[in-house]
Amino acid sequence: EPEVTQTPSHQVTQMGQEVILRCVPISNHLYFYWYRQILGQKVEFLVSFYNNEISEKSEIFDDQFSVERPDGSNFTLKIRSTKLEDSAMYFCASKRGENIQYFGAGTRLSVL
Amino acid sequence: QKEVEQDPGPLSVPEGAIVSLNCTYSNSAFQYFMWYRQYSRKGPELLMYTYSSGNKEDGRFTAQVDKSSKYISLFIRDSQPSDSATYLCAMSESGTASKLTFGTGTRLQVTL
Repeated sequence: EPEVTQTPSHQVTQMGQEVILRCVPISNHLYFYWYRQILGQKVEFLVSFYNNEISEKSEIFDDQFSVERPDGSNFTLKIRSTKLEDSAMYFCASKRGENIQYFGAGTRLSVL
Repeated sequence: QKEVEQDPGPLSVPEGAIVSLNCTYSNSAFQYFMWYRQYSRKGPELLMYTYSSGNKEDGRFTAQVDKSSKYISLFIRDSQPSDSATYLCAMSESGTASKLTFGTGTRLQVTL
């Protein structure tokens, strides 16, 4: 069964460093999303991406964040200068057209 | 008022019990309603998907949506220890790129 793949599963970084979280969405999907979940809190929307541009972004998704689809398969989330409060699970999701989003297993980001 | 409210639990039931999980919401524009299951430090896994009001059944799981009351439910019949997880309700408005808005999740423990 096709699945959304995220790498790495765990990323440890120092405050102020740049990180790139990678996702390979399901191959025939057209819409791509990033969500995050701070430990013990709810899953929160960050950004949606369609047709090589951002469709919608939340207040969390400030200038420190960017997304890119550099080729036909990868979808990345970059955080330019990480803060302690960026520590969370980051989930990538994708969907084809109907409103069912499929999630990856997540990347746990630890900012020290 | 939070956009989506969900009792965080934890909810502990004996094996074989019927489980009822619920969410209320305030945004009348929500049209799509989903239940995801999440195991510890894993990504949300889609369980049930419903469009607008009504019931949907899949095996031991039944999802109900009452848009007039802004209330959704998930029933699990003959609960099993393997059902122990956190259950997340999620909703979205119409529109193909629409983001999901999640509840906080209800932690369920099914005991032998």
